[in-house]
Amino acid sequence: DIQMTQSPLSLSASAGDRVTISCRASQGIGNYLAWYQQKPGKVPKLLISAASTLQSGVPSRFSGSGSGTDFTLTISSLQPEDVATYYCQKYDSAPKTFGQGTKVEIK
Amino acid sequence: QVHLVESGGGVVQPGRSLRLSCAASGFTITNYGIHWVRQAPGKGLEWVAVISYDGNNKYYADSVKGRFTISRDTSKNTVYLQMNSLRGEDTAMYYCATRPPSDYWGQGTLVTVSS
Repeated sequence: DIQMTQSPLSLSASAGDRVTISCRASQGIGNYLAWYQQKPGKVPKLLISAASTLQSGVPSRFSGSGSGTDFTLTISSLQPEDVATYYCQKYDSAPKTFGQGTKVEIK
Repeated sequence: QVHLVESGGGVVQPGRSLRLSCAASGFTITNYGIHWVRQAPGKGLEWVAVISYDGNNKYYADSVKGRFTISRDTSKNTVYLQMNSLRGEDTAMYYCATRPPSDYWGQGTLVTVSS
């Protein structure tokens, strides 16, 4: 099975900073990669599908890139409301594995 | 408006069974695959199982294969997760969601496996 590895697993940055989260697949998955945001006590929210397609209503400071095995979620200017855990998920085929999650905090 | 509502969670002893339900509204499950995702307390998301839009394809995580069964009742627009031989490590919030990329999620139902 393909493994999904996120890095870092946690980060702390100042408001306004550019934040980058990496997600690496152990084998190529094309662009079948989604990013989710989960705030404490809340249900996950889909941010990006197909590696780079921003979902309707998601702020434009979020962006996704990559294909094959290496993917990136970028927050161009971190806001206090972005405090959350971010997960990548492959969905090319089963198992539709999630990454371990990256916890983002504000300094 | 799309809604997914899970039910059936609770406290159960190790080795026992539980059936979770995921009632869909605002769309028909014959048009969308549905999957189950769980989250143990304080842990990350773990994909559990998926049933395809036509019901012909079902896949499971290795951690539940042979113990869990996903099924559906199209007349009730509901997907089920039958969980047998439950273990402590199955303790989690269980979410159903539309097939990934999952733009719709339920609120979850909590399963606690404990003696």
